[in-house]
This record gives sequence, structure tokens and C-alpha cells, in this order.
Amino acid sequence: SQELEQSPQSLIVQEGKNLTINCTSSKTLYGLYWYKQKYGEGLIFLMMLQKGGEEKSHEKITAKLDEKKQQSSLHITASQPSHAGIYLCGAALQGGSEKLVFGKGTKLTVNP
Amino acid sequence: DAMVIQNPRYQVTQFGKPVTLSCSQTLNHNVMYWYQQKSSQAPKLLFHYYDKDFNNEADTPDNFQSRRPNTSFCFLDIRSPGLGDAAMYLCATSRDHTVHEQYFGPGTRLTVT
Repeated sequence: SQELEQSPQSLIVQEGKNLTINCTSSKTLYGLYWYKQKYGEGLIFLMMLQKGGEEKSHEKITAKLDEKKQQSSLHITASQPSHAGIYLCGAALQGGSEKLVFGKGTKLTVNP
Repeated sequence: DAMVIQNPRYQVTQFGKPVTLSCSQTLNHNVMYWYQQKSSQAPKLLFHYYDKDFNNEADTPDNFQSRRPNTSFCFLDIRSPGLGDAAMYLCATSRDHTVHEQYFGPGTRLTVT
């Protein structure tokens, strides 16, 4: 089974709407990373969360980490077509390891 | 700008014909990773180098090999590509084992005919 589950798998919203993407781990999190991927391209780093309760924002994107629930959420406010893409969460599931495990991604479409 | 570069961006090879994908970085990072990503799937770690130390994932087929001749370059060799090896191959780097933030290249899309 997948160690990191993302929901929803895909999301279609109207421009200007808010949305939330979730990432849930089956194991203890030693760090949670959000990336964005455009079709056929590499992953672009968005944000890193390391402590329970931590919240970070960049422009209209906010990510939170609930360490107890082994869960993170990514919230986009007033979505724009430029937000469209695939959002992946990656997590360090082993302390002291340089490896990340990734979720399958959430495909976001923003209709003008 | 410091970056991770992958060449070629698109590679077509024939079934069973060896192919090499290239990755270079100007970040001077110690760790370099190779991932395989199939459509709508999570990137799957194949192996990584921490400096010169090679770390293979247990489920990476023997058909996949890697070389890191120096800090800047890392290669992925597929000895006998099968149709199931068609995928996007992503190279990434991180500063060291205490920093998990990984920087990715644009990927190489491999087609096997």
C-alpha cells in the first residue's frame, strides 16, 4: 500500500475559488515537502514543513503540518490558472535518511 | 543560476538497446538521486549517491545501473530496456543527508520502441 496518500486525486475549480489538498502518511513524519509538477516536467519545490503545527505561506499557497495526525494540507486561496498542475507531497519517513517518499499527486485544473 | 540539468529531454530507444541518461548539477550538492515516474504515479526512487557511496533500492531491477564520476555528474544506464521501462526519469540533488529538500531537473522522457 502507498505510504503517502493524497486526496483528492484530481480537482477542477473555477478561477477565484479556494481549494485544499491533503497528504496523509502511514508512518511518522520526519519532514514534509510540497512540490508542483507541470505535465512532462520536473518537480518544483514549494515548501518544507518540519515541526508539528508548523504553517508556511508563499503568495496564495499555505501549507500546514499536523504531526500527530501524520497529515499535511496545502491550501490555495483565490486560485488562478497559473496554479494548475500536479501537486505532490514528499516525506522523510526515516530519521537520518536522505530519502523521500512521494505521493501520487493531485492534479489541479483551474478554469478561467 | 545554479541548477540541475538533464540530457536529453526526450530519448527514444529500441527494445534491448542500451541507453544512458545524463544529469549534471551546479549546486555542488553531495547527494544525487534517480527517480522513475510513470504516468499518474509517484516518483519511485531507483538509487542515490551520497558523495561516492552508491545506495541501491532493494526493488530496483539489475537492468538499471548508475555512475557518478564526479560531484557534478551522474548517469543512469539501462542495459537492456524493455517496454515497461518507458517512463519519465527524474534526477534530483540535495545538499546532504540532513537536508531533505531536493532540487529536481526537468526530467528525461524515455520511449522504448
